[in-house]
Amino acid sequence: GDSVTQTEGLVTLTEGLPVMLNCTYQTIYSNPFLFWYVQHLNESPRLLLKSFTDNKRTEHQGFHATLHKSSSSFHLQKSSAQLSDSALYYCALSDVNSAGNKLTFGIGTRVLVRP
Amino acid sequence: EAAVTQSPRSKVAVTGGKVTLSCHQTNNHDYMYWYRQDTGHGLRLIHYSYVADSTEKGDIPDGYKASRPSQENFSLILELASLSQTAVYFCASSDDRGMNTEVFFGKGTRLTVV
Repeated sequence: GDSVTQTEGLVTLTEGLPVMLNCTYQTIYSNPFLFWYVQHLNESPRLLLKSFTDNKRTEHQGFHATLHKSSSSFHLQKSSAQLSDSALYYCALSDVNSAGNKLTFGIGTRVLVRP
Repeated sequence: EAAVTQSPRSKVAVTGGKVTLSCHQTNNHDYMYWYRQDTGHGLRLIHYSYVADSTEKGDIPDGYKASRPSQENFSLILELASLSQTAVYFCASSDDRGMNTEVFFGKGTRLTVV
């Protein structure tokens, strides 16, 4: 079945520095949808950005990601981290066999931004 | 703003007891989901439903049942709670526009089985 692999554990960085969270996926489907969801402390996960188009950069709230089907990757990046970016980040893959949106999530990467 | 409301927000249950987690959405969405969140496993799909009175198994359905009595309501039932079911449970909903559609999550229920 589908699977998503993310940067594991905790990523700690200093405010103002760039951040990149790795995400790779496996699926038999040639046209997957990839998503990044963000979950702040004591909140629910919410959509950060999504992509379907190969080699096209998608951006939202200062974050960006590019889907590369050749390497099955969808890494999340931001040029300058803010304290408010401290959160749990999930990469997710959409299940092509569902008319709704059954998502396969990675294990999540926790980001802590320090002053 | 899309709204998915879960109750209770936290619960302590006894091993072997029955637990019911409830979810109500006002999004007018056809699809509803129950996910389980555990450190080291991320979010995993337990059950989902695309229409009232019908439920489908997700990736980890063992030990769980689901009920969708109406479009707005979706319950998760643990008939015999076990220690391994201690986790945070998220209900979610989405429309039926397919793979591109955003999934909206509730605030979660923290279940502790003792």
